[in-house]
Formats: sequence, C-alpha cells, structure tokens
Amino acid sequence: KAGVTQTPRYLIKTRGQQVTLSCSPISGHRSVSWYQQTPGQGLQFLFEYFSETQRNKGNFPGRFSGRQFSNSRSEMNVSTLELGDSALYLCASSSPDRGGTDTQYFGPGTRLTVL
Amino acid sequence: AQKITQTQPGMFVQEKEAVTLDCTYDTSDPSYGLFWYKQPSSGEMIFLIYQGSYDQQNATEGRYSLNFQKARKSANLVISASQLGDSAMYFCAMREGRGTNAGKSTFGDGTTLTVKP
Repeated sequence: KAGVTQTPRYLIKTRGQQVTLSCSPISGHRSVSWYQQTPGQGLQFLFEYFSETQRNKGNFPGRFSGRQFSNSRSEMNVSTLELGDSALYLCASSSPDRGGTDTQYFGPGTRLTVL
Repeated sequence: AQKITQTQPGMFVQEKEAVTLDCTYDTSDPSYGLFWYKQPSSGEMIFLIYQGSYDQQNATEGRYSLNFQKARKSANLVISASQLGDSAMYFCAMREGRGTNAGKSTFGDGTTLTVKP
C-alpha cells in the first residue's frame, strides 16, 4: 500500500500571501489530521477531518482552515501568512477501527518558509 | 486536559545496548491509545508501537517494546540492541477515544537519541 503523500514538499512564501497544502491518505483511510511542527512549540494539532467533516480542531487562528474531499484527500489553507507560520506541516491518516485511538500514519511533511 | 511529558531531552546509548525512553501521560478518559514515533533528520514521523489503555499485556514490535504501567501513567519505550540507524528524535503521543478530545493527538517534546559506535 502506498503511504501518505504530501505536496509540495517545500514552499517559500512571503508575508501576507496565502498557501494551500495537499495530503493524500493511505488508501482506505477516511480520517486525516494536520499538525504543525516548530522548534519552539513542538508538534501541535491543527484539525482532523473524517468523511468530509471537521471532527476536531486545535487552538489555531481562523487563518488556518482545511477541508476533505469525497476521496478522503485533504487540503489545508493558511491565509495572510505570518513569519511565525514557518514550520513543518505534517499530515496523518488513520483507519477508524478503534474509534479515536487509531494509529496515525504520517506523510513526509511540507516545509513552509515565510519570508 | 491530556498531556504527555518526556523528561529526557537527549539520551546516549552504545551500539548493541538497550535503552529506555521515558514517557508519562495524563488523561481523564478511560479509553486512550499511546504511541511512539521516530523522526529522523529527514522529518518524516515513523510509527513504532501502539498500546491501548485496555490492553493487558505490554506491546512489542521487533526490537521495540512498550513498558506500560497504567497506575503510574507511564509508557516507556525500550529499544533493545541499539543500532546506529536508531539515532533520531523519538516522540510519545496519546489519542483519547471519547469526549471532546476524541481523536486529537497530543505529543511530548521528544527525546533525541544518539547511538554511539
């Protein structure tokens, strides 16, 4: 089975711009979660989507949004980029076999740099 | 609130020796899962091992085992016969099964493991 894929792998943007990141989950997985990883804050949960519905959300401003399509692929959007948004954005997918405690499998991440 | 604590920012181990990475957690949800991930310098998070809150036995996956002590709320990772390729950052994580935090993963700050030849 192919793993979780994320595109693009690297991205450089300037302050004020917006960005869209894409994630394709493992085939058959219907849950997709997004995380932000920075040296200062560590790994922080952004949101989780299941069957096209946002099931949970972390403590991030409204500039961070996401969506999931009927084929379970997910996109994450950040509008009005700030320097502090520079981070590794990780996507993870899971199969709902154990309810909320399913194992998440991560993609390689998108490294976003905001100048 | 769910919380994961990893108290060892860095650890060193000699090749072929065993090493234990510590993890304590806090949750009020009786249904939860505990996970360990490895993150090499490339950045990708690699799943290592899972332990469910209702599991009676400690989980094992090859050279990895999880020392689960529910009453102490600890879930330490034991790596046996360390290899040079084990050098990486290791994260402990938890997902709750019920309530408003169901499905939301919380990660510790990580432990950087360096294996010496």
